[in-house]
Amino acid sequence: EIVLTQSPGTLSLSPGERATLSCRASQSVSSSSLAWYQQKPGQAPRLLIYAASSRATGIPDRFSGSGSGTDFTLTISRLEPEDFAVYYCQQYGSSPYTFGQGTNLEIK
Amino acid sequence: EVQLVESGGGLVKPGGSLRLSCAASGFTFSNAWMTWVRQAPGKGLEWVGHIKYKTDGGTTDYAAPVKGRFTISRDDSKNTLYLQMNSLNTEDTALYYCFGGWVVGTTYFQHWGQGTLVTVSS
Repeated sequence: EIVLTQSPGTLSLSPGERATLSCRASQSVSSSSLAWYQQKPGQAPRLLIYAASSRATGIPDRFSGSGSGTDFTLTISRLEPEDFAVYYCQQYGSSPYTFGQGTNLEIK
Repeated sequence: EVQLVESGGGLVKPGGSLRLSCAASGFTFSNAWMTWVRQAPGKGLEWVGHIKYKTDGGTTDYAAPVKGRFTISRDDSKNTLYLQMNSLNTEDTALYYCFGGWVVGTTYFQHWGQGTLVTVSS
């Protein structure tokens, strides 16, 4: 099973700042089969990024994904108030399709 | 408008069974991989399993904690996904989400339901 470790656990930033979230896999993720999700309290998760760097439909271009192999990054270039939420990465390259434990992006 | 609506959650005793449903509309259900994900109270997301669309084999895959106890199935004529859960234990208490994923051209689409709560308690 591929274990995904997200860091930091909590990230405190202000609107307008740049956010960099990390997701490290215990073994290589095949075909860059990695997704990023955003979840706000009381809501279902929403897909942001798939295939490591492809933005999902309707996702603003301030969200970008990068990486391959075992190291992946989600970058939010300029934080908007609505971006403060919990972010999860998920690998879907090999079963079981595991999630990371999440990064809580909070307002500083 | 794409919609996924889960139902069937509730309170069940340890050792009991429950069947969840996920009714889909607004997209070609028969062309979608369908997945169940759960979230225990205050915890992160956990992949439960998925079922491929029929022309991709229609096969299922499960996470280790549920394998042998949970069964995912689909009825494409009813645009509905199911999760049959047997031998439930307290660790299965969670909000259960379904989501569908499909490709149009070179673009991948995905949509989630709002979840249904399963509580396993005596």
